[in-house]
Order: sequence, then C-alpha cells, then structure tokens
Amino acid sequence: AQTVTQSQPEMSVQEAETVTLSCTYDTSESDYYLFWYKQPPSRQMILVIRQEAYKQQNATENRFSVNFQKAAKSFSLKISDSQLGDAAMYFCAYKGGWGGGSQGNLIFGKGTKLSVKP
Amino acid sequence: GAVVSQHPSRVICKSGTSVKIECRSLDFQATTMFWYRQFPKKSLMLMATSNEGSKATYEQGVEKDKFLINHASLTLSTLTVTSAHPEDSSFYICSANLAGLYNEQFFGPGTRLTVL
Repeated sequence: AQTVTQSQPEMSVQEAETVTLSCTYDTSESDYYLFWYKQPPSRQMILVIRQEAYKQQNATENRFSVNFQKAAKSFSLKISDSQLGDAAMYFCAYKGGWGGGSQGNLIFGKGTKLSVKP
Repeated sequence: GAVVSQHPSRVICKSGTSVKIECRSLDFQATTMFWYRQFPKKSLMLMATSNEGSKATYEQGVEKDKFLINHASLTLSTLTVTSAHPEDSSFYICSANLAGLYNEQFFGPGTRLTVL
C-alpha cells in the first residue's frame, strides 16, 4: 500500500523568507501524481501544485516550487517570499495512475502547520 | 475553475437522529466523488468512493450501514449519517473528480457535524 509521510508537524518562517516543507512517499507504482494542498483556517482545501511522476522537471507555480526526487521518493515544497496568507496546514498527497487499478483517490500525509511571522 | 459545494456547512443534531450532507459539482459532471472525514488538527481520512449509478466503495473500518452514500446523478452525491452519536461529530469533506489528464479532485468547503 502507498504511504505518505510528512515529518514536520509544525514549521515557522519569517515573512519574505523561504521555507521548505518535506514529504516522502512509498509506492511500487511507476505511474503516479503528487500534490501539495493548502488548508487555511477556513478549512477549504486548495491545490497548490502538482507533479507528474514521469516528468523530470520540477513543477513551479509562482512562489511555490517542488523538489521531486523520484529515486529517493521525496517531494518537498519550497515557498519563496513567504506571505502572511501562506499560513495554513499543508498536506502532501499521492494519487496512483489509472493503470494501477486506482480509483483516483488521494492518499494524504499528516500535514505540516506553517506559521508566518510578520 | 471547477466548483464543488456542500450543504449544510454546519449542522447540530441530537443523538439518534439522521443527518444528510449534500455534495454538488456545480459546473462539471463527476462520475466519481469522494467523502473524507477530518478530526481536529488531523489529516483527511478517506471514508468512501462514490460512483454514479453504482454502490459506493467503503474504506476498511467504515460502517456502510452507518454512513449511507448515494450518487444518484453526475452532479450530486449525498452522505447520510444514520442514528448519529457524539463520536460521529467531525468535519466531513467531499471532493469530485474532474475527468481529464490529472483526474484532479476539487474539494467542497466541508460540513461540520456536531452531535449532542
């Protein structure tokens, strides 16, 4: 079974600084997708960034980028120029490719609570 | 973008009553929807996968007679918590699959259930 591990329950960053959130996963599948979701106090889940396993290039979305190391099964999220609005719970998630018999459900890590200090 | 709504956003009920939560995909059709449960300061736990026109697939440990799921149309899935008890109090989140390259899931805003 696939698992997702986030080893940092809480992280803190100074406004305008850079922070990296860690995520590792375990799978025997070769085709899969990885995601980072943000859950602010409103509890609405918001997609931050996605990465396809077959792509070697790391995904980027404005101030958010990932460091995807497939062999190491590592998928960290870097937030640059942190803003107060970035404060939230961040969840790393895995989804298998359809060929693996997956119904498309997401497997979530336990989350990292990010605080941003002004 | 794809929008998913949930109703109600918050519900308080007495122990022993049943509560229905609706999940709707507003601007797309979703053959598959998912129901999650989230305890305070915890991650999302998948309860079941809801497929339009067929029976839901429940995760291990989730009582199917307790949590009834109906996916009667391509835009609506419902979760009914039957004979609710205080331990059923939680935050329930649904998501809907948008078919495509990523089969991306879009999440509803969640429903907070409190059972007295």
